Amino acid sequence: EPEVTQTPSHQVTQMGQEVILRCVPISNHLYFYWYRQILGQKVEFLVSFYNNEISEKSEIFDDQFSVERPDGSNFTLKIRSTKLEDSAMYFCASSENIYYGYTFGSGTRLTVV
Amino acid sequence: DAKTTQPPSMDCAEGRAANLPCNHSTISGNEYVYWYRQIHSQGPQYIIHGLKNNETNEMASLIITEDRKSSTLILPHATLRDTAVYYCIVSLQGAQKLVFGQGTRLTINP
Repeated sequence: EPEVTQTPSHQVTQMGQEVILRCVPISNHLYFYWYRQILGQKVEFLVSFYNNEISEKSEIFDDQFSVERPDGSNFTLKIRSTKLEDSAMYFCASSENIYYGYTFGSGTRLTVV
Repeated sequence: DAKTTQPPSMDCAEGRAANLPCNHSTISGNEYVYWYRQIHSQGPQYIIHGLKNNETNEMASLIITEDRKSSTLILPHATLRDTAVYYCIVSLQGAQKLVFGQGTRLTINP
C-alpha cells in the first residue's frame, strides 16, 4: 500500500536554529498538508498546499514557518528560528483529491533544546 | 465546523464488535462525518466517512442517524491492533483542514 514517507523520524535542534522537515507524499496525490501534535495534546492543522501554493493556514503557521515543493516529489516544512514550544510531532499528509480521506506519514519528532 | 462529542475512553473484548459513538448535534446539511484513528503517536489513519447513508468498507461500518445528529463507528471483530484513539470529525467535503478533538481512547482487551 502506498505510503507517505517522512524524514528524519527524530530531530533534535538548538533553539534559534532552522530546521527542515521532509516528506515524500504518495506519487499521484495533489493535496498536501502539515499537522503537528504537541505531546499529550490534540493533532493541530498547520497548512494545506495545492497547485504550488498554500490553500489554507492556521494561526500557528506564522512567518517562522514555510512550505515548499521543491522538485515535484518532496514536500518540506521549514521552521526558520525554532523555539522550545515548537517541540512536537510533525505529520505530513497527502490526498488524491479533497473529497476523500488523507494518508498521513508516521511523523517527525522535533525536539528543540 | 460542527463540534463533536465523544466518550474519552472505552473498552472492548477482543473478537467482539466495538461500537464508538459520536454526537454532532450542530452538523449542517453539507457536512460529512469522518473517522480517523491514531495508534500510539503514529500518524492518524483514515477509516471511513459518510454524509447520511450508512457506509461500510474493509475496516469498519459507519451508522449515521436519520437526523444526522449522531453516528456510530463499528469495528465488527476488534483485535488487539485496533487499540487506538479514534477521532470523529465533522467537516465540509473538500475542506482543506481537519479539526481533531480529543477522541475516544479504545482499548481492546484479550
